[in-house]
Amino acid sequence: GAVVSQHPSWVICKSGTSVKIECRSLDFQATTMFWYRQFPKQSLMLMATSNEGSKATYEQGVEKDKFLINHASLTLSTLTVTSAHPEDSSFYICSASPRAHYGYTFGSGTRLTVV
Amino acid sequence: EDKVVQSPLSLVVHEGDTVTLNCSYEVTNFRSLLWYKQEKKAPTFLFMLTSSGIEKKSGRLSSILDKKELFSILNITATQTGDSAVYLCAVVAQGGSEKLVFGKGTKLTVNP
Repeated sequence: GAVVSQHPSWVICKSGTSVKIECRSLDFQATTMFWYRQFPKQSLMLMATSNEGSKATYEQGVEKDKFLINHASLTLSTLTVTSAHPEDSSFYICSASPRAHYGYTFGSGTRLTVV
Repeated sequence: EDKVVQSPLSLVVHEGDTVTLNCSYEVTNFRSLLWYKQEKKAPTFLFMLTSSGIEKKSGRLSSILDKKELFSILNITATQTGDSAVYLCAVVAQGGSEKLVFGKGTKLTVNP
């Protein structure tokens, strides 16, 4: 149980375009999902907390107009990287937990390369 | 600001060795500490610890939490090459969104 699916696994896009990444909880409902970014040989850095039916909460230094988060249902959160630039190239991972005091499950991650 | 510090940052051992990975933390309103194993992609969950002194065990892996001294250790006995990975420690604070704060990880390499 507690499976999180993330799509796509990898994407290459041109500078200036937008990319949407989906995160789905397959066998549970998630009112909260988390989006992380990981640069090579670095740890996971929380970008934002996605809240179903309300605005996302962004961490300090993360541009909310650049990284648009939508959590329209209890099983789906999306992260859209708008007007992508090469410095946005990174590994993006989402996570969710089916309930309190339960381990957080991660999606398989999305490798974004902006050229 | 919540902080998680892992040590060592990297470790190279031979198959069969036993390793101990360390994680210390400073967090307001601590709730739980989690250990993950990350190979090439997303982290996979190992343990969640909420109470001091209670060892959690899964095969050759075990972990324990000391809430007084604010640290946790992850032990791996009889290491195998398949244990090579980055081991991440994260803490969850109570209240709000219960987000995870990660340490930088320990890169473990097990040589045959």
